[in-house]
Amino acid sequence: QKEVEQDPGPLSVPEGAIVSLNCTYSNSAFQYFMWYRQYSRKGPELLMYTYSSGNKEDGRFTAQVDKSSKYISLFIRDSQPSDSATYLCAPQETSGSRLTFGEGTQLTVNP
Amino acid sequence: DGGITQSPKYLFRKEGQNVTLSCEQNLNHDAMYWYRQDPGQGLRLIYYSQIVNDFQKGDIAEGYSVSREKKESFPLTVTSAQKNPTAFYLCASSTINYGYTFGSGTRLTVV
Repeated sequence: QKEVEQDPGPLSVPEGAIVSLNCTYSNSAFQYFMWYRQYSRKGPELLMYTYSSGNKEDGRFTAQVDKSSKYISLFIRDSQPSDSATYLCAPQETSGSRLTFGEGTQLTVNP
Repeated sequence: DGGITQSPKYLFRKEGQNVTLSCEQNLNHDAMYWYRQDPGQGLRLIYYSQIVNDFQKGDIAEGYSVSREKKESFPLTVTSAQKNPTAFYLCASSTINYGYTFGSGTRLTVV
């Protein structure tokens, strides 16, 4: 069993839709949770960084962590064609330790 | 501008050849990483280094070698022992209290 499971998609939505991207994990020691966005043929870039359970909002993006169920979510409101990318979840045990990456979910937002 | 630079962007290797991928960072990060990305497989860790002159194998180190003689540089050599080297290679660096910063990647193709 992989430590981090992520539905690879592809996921296709119309512009303006609310998008929900999810990961589950098995390692109870994970405390830090990140989401990366990767455009085609580019390196991933850090999108959201949260610690422990709860929600964090940044503009149209909301990251949610439920440690009791080992479930990580990223919500995108009012999705735009420029949000079309692969989104990778990446939990971490301690600050500065190795990241464990999910497989990534490929998202397409259609105009 | 601080960042992480990978070169070349595209690289072609003949059967039986060794090739070296360059990764340089000016972020003053202690840790550096090499990942391989294949379609449908997410990011797989090849090697990582947390300090100069020290590095550890990741999950798929066979057929690869690295060195870390300077803090800024972490080159990856793909040897002839790597039987399926065609992939997208990503270098990253990190420091405590932040996630990884990735380079823009090198696409290696066997011809």
